[in-house]
This record gives sequence, structure tokens and C-alpha cells, in this order.
Amino acid sequence: FVLTQSPGTLSLSPGERATLSCRVSQSLSSSYLAWYQQKPGQAPRLLIYGASTRATGIPDRFSGSGSGTDFTLTITRLEPEDFAVYYCQQYGRSPWTFGQGTKVEIK
Amino acid sequence: ELQVVESGGGLVQPGRSLRLSCTGPGVTFGDYVLSWVRQAPGKGLEWVGFIRDHGYGGTTEYAASVKGRFNISKDDSGSIAFLQMNGLTIEDTAVYYCSRSPGRYSGISLWGQGTLVTVSS
Repeated sequence: FVLTQSPGTLSLSPGERATLSCRVSQSLSSSYLAWYQQKPGQAPRLLIYGASTRATGIPDRFSGSGSGTDFTLTITRLEPEDFAVYYCQQYGRSPWTFGQGTKVEIK
Repeated sequence: ELQVVESGGGLVQPGRSLRLSCTGPGVTFGDYVLSWVRQAPGKGLEWVGFIRDHGYGGTTEYAASVKGRFNISKDDSGSIAFLQMNGLTIEDTAVYYCSRSPGRYSGISLWGQGTLVTVSS
């Protein structure tokens, strides 16, 4: 499975909506798609698993959707702490793979 | 809050070996998938490999880039995990994260802070 994220960089202002895309090279069960947030110097943090289930403690402004080969992470209203790099990952089949990341930066 | 900590990183010459360890207070790996993920400087995340939980035989899988050189294991108590890295190359330079997945459908929910491995002569 090859995961392709778009766009590479998203320049937005706080309060705006962010829509991040993850395209998978072949159909993937939605049970095996996750999204992570990573800030500089920190480990990744699990946001979404099973394509749409928020991990423990994740605010409801983060939501995941999609199926088959197209998945989306949406942040409804960007908070200052949301500016970071986001990765999608498939864990349905070995080798697990990550997308190349989308950087959400302050406009 | 559960935490895991990696140790054993550092500077190593090409061709040499290094073993990373991962442990944390109250953390066990026996009933979970334990994976290692790395991140080269300024790059994205790369899955290195994992060891399955006891229910799936504790078998291992590796990325093609490390297969045959790296080995993931756990101690008998399931409280310490290891990444044995042999035949290191410059391309293995990265921050290595130990991580744990609570279940087959759950993604990676527990991450260490990472340990830097630098391969250089």
C-alpha cells in the first residue's frame, strides 16, 4: 500500500477549516487507517483510528472519514496548537506504511 | 499516564551494531503489537517493523529496508522490547520511536519520545 497525502502544505488562519487528503494505492478496509499529528521535536500523537474513531482525549474538531482508497482528516476550526504535520498510516497489511505528511502552517 | 522510554541510541560507525531498548513503568508488550518507527532528520515517518502479541504467536515483520539486518524482540516478562540493528548504514540515521498498539484495529496509541541513532564514520 502506497499512501499519498495532499496537499503537501496547507496555509490557513486560526479558525479556518482544514481538509487533508490521504489516497491509498489499493482499496483498504477503513478499519486500518489512522491519522497522527506531529509537532517539532515531539513524537507523533494518534488522532484517528479505524478511519473515523477519535482516539482518547482528541477534541471533536478533529474528524476522519472515507473508505476504499480515499480518506480525509478534517479540522473544523483550527486552534493555534493544531499547526503541525499530519500523517496518515495504514496498518492493515505488512509492511505498514505512512503517507509523506501534510504540514498545516499559519497563513 | 503510561509512558515508554527508548534507550541505547548514539553515534555508531557504518557496519557496526547497536541495540535499542524500550520500557516504561507499568507498560507491558506481551499482549500488544510492539512496533518501531523511525524518522530521518527532516523527513517523514518510516515504519521499521513490529512484533505481534502472544495471541498471534509473537511473530515479526520488517520493512524491506531493514529486513535481514534488524531484529525486534521482547524479554520473557514482556516488559522490555528491543531493536537489534546490525550492519548499520548512513541511511539508518534517524530518531527511532518505540510504540505500542492496543489492538489490531487501533493504530499506534503509545509512543516513546524517541532516541537518535547517528551512523557516521
